[in-house]
Amino acid sequence: EAGVTQSPTHLIKTRGQQATLRCSPISGHTSVYWYQQALGLGLQFLLWYDEGEERNRGNFPPRFSGRQFPNYSSELNVNALELEDSALYLCASSPQTGQPQHFGDGTRLSIL
Amino acid sequence: AQSVTQLDSHVSVSEGTPVLLRCNYSSSYSPSLFWYVQHPNKGLQLLLKYTSAATLVKGINGFEAEFKKSETSFHLTKPSAHMSDAAEYFCVVSAGTSGTYKYIFGTGTRLKVLA
Repeated sequence: EAGVTQSPTHLIKTRGQQATLRCSPISGHTSVYWYQQALGLGLQFLLWYDEGEERNRGNFPPRFSGRQFPNYSSELNVNALELEDSALYLCASSPQTGQPQHFGDGTRLSIL
Repeated sequence: AQSVTQLDSHVSVSEGTPVLLRCNYSSSYSPSLFWYVQHPNKGLQLLLKYTSAATLVKGINGFEAEFKKSETSFHLTKPSAHMSDAAEYFCVVSAGTSGTYKYIFGTGTRLKVLA
């Protein structure tokens, strides 16, 4: 069984640009979660998608947005990038709520 | 509401000695609880899960955890630490209703294993 895959592995952008991060969940998993892990700040919940709908959102500004496609894959978009957006962005999937999440290895986003 | 507290941000043990990583939780609902491990520049790997079955849960790599409702704790243990256990560990509580379900992550415990 293939795990959660994220692309790209690394992404380098400059301030003000836009970034798109992609995630493919485990086959059969309908829920996708996005997290930001910045140095020294722990794991911060960003977004939760289930069956194509946004179910919950963390305390992040609207320039962080995303969507889930009919095949359950997902995109995270970050507009107007700021230096503090530099972080490891982790995607996870689960078959249903209450079940453990399975994580990808993340996308390292660096803002210059 | 749900919350989780990992009581130690850093733990150091010698190789071959027991490991204890402490986690307390609170939840208004019957929770599911998980422990994850994260090695540098990697995603989180599920170690074990408690979902209202047996209170003593065995996981991968020799880890286990005991759900103690009276103490609202879910501590992670391993009888003998190995160098490869050095990593960051996260305790997670998940609970809620269909419209309010949340996964709450602890702030992590960094485990150092000394040779």
